[in-house]
Amino acid sequence: EVQLVESGGGLVKPGGSLRLSCAASGFTFSRNSMNWVRQAPGKGLEWVSFISSGTSYIYYADSVKGRFTISRDNAKNSLYLQMNSLRAEDTGVYYCARGGSGSSKSAFDIWGQGTMVTVSS
Amino acid sequence: SYELTQPLSVSVALGQTARITCGENNIGTKNVHWYQQKPGQAPVLVINGDTNRPSGIPERFSGSNSGNTATLTISRAQAGDEADYYCQVWDSSTVVFGGGTKLTVL
Repeated sequence: EVQLVESGGGLVKPGGSLRLSCAASGFTFSRNSMNWVRQAPGKGLEWVSFISSGTSYIYYADSVKGRFTISRDNAKNSLYLQMNSLRAEDTGVYYCARGGSGSSKSAFDIWGQGTMVTVSS
Repeated sequence: SYELTQPLSVSVALGQTARITCGENNIGTKNVHWYQQKPGQAPVLVINGDTNRPSGIPERFSGSNSGNTATLTISRAQAGDEADYYCQVWDSSTVVFGGGTKLTVL
């Protein structure tokens, strides 16, 4: 079964850091680009970051540029999001989502169930 | 910046056809993808690349894209289709989601 499972969410104070992980199974992880998408409580979807299959291409939303870092370990079938200088507006559910092969800009066909991040003092 | 405009809500009678629009200048030149999200669940891809249905998505779901408007059409609407629907495109090196449309089946 193709599956993505996020972990690492929690409560953190403003200015703090958190590292999210996404474990992939059921497909050849190294062939696909990956993304992080977040959703603030009661709000819509907001794309956060993209990483190509071989890490040659990495993109960020302006709202997180300079604070968040996406990475992946193809040997461990894992995707990560290092979040620094967290703000209240970073609060929400964070989803990892599978993209197309290589560096293609395509739809997100598989999503994890999400992990909740709460930034509050 | 590229922004996708969706109606906040759409209502449809049971068994009738619902149409959810996604608007932006020249969106017809881009590949539009549609996601369904039910409360408390992760989004699910229902239309890929304007018109393509992923495996497992009912034929009742279809998409079109031309000019300044992309449309998700849900035929013979069922109670189980009640959800939020989001359109999405790539704009250069950025992913853009529409604001989402809440579909109510009456």
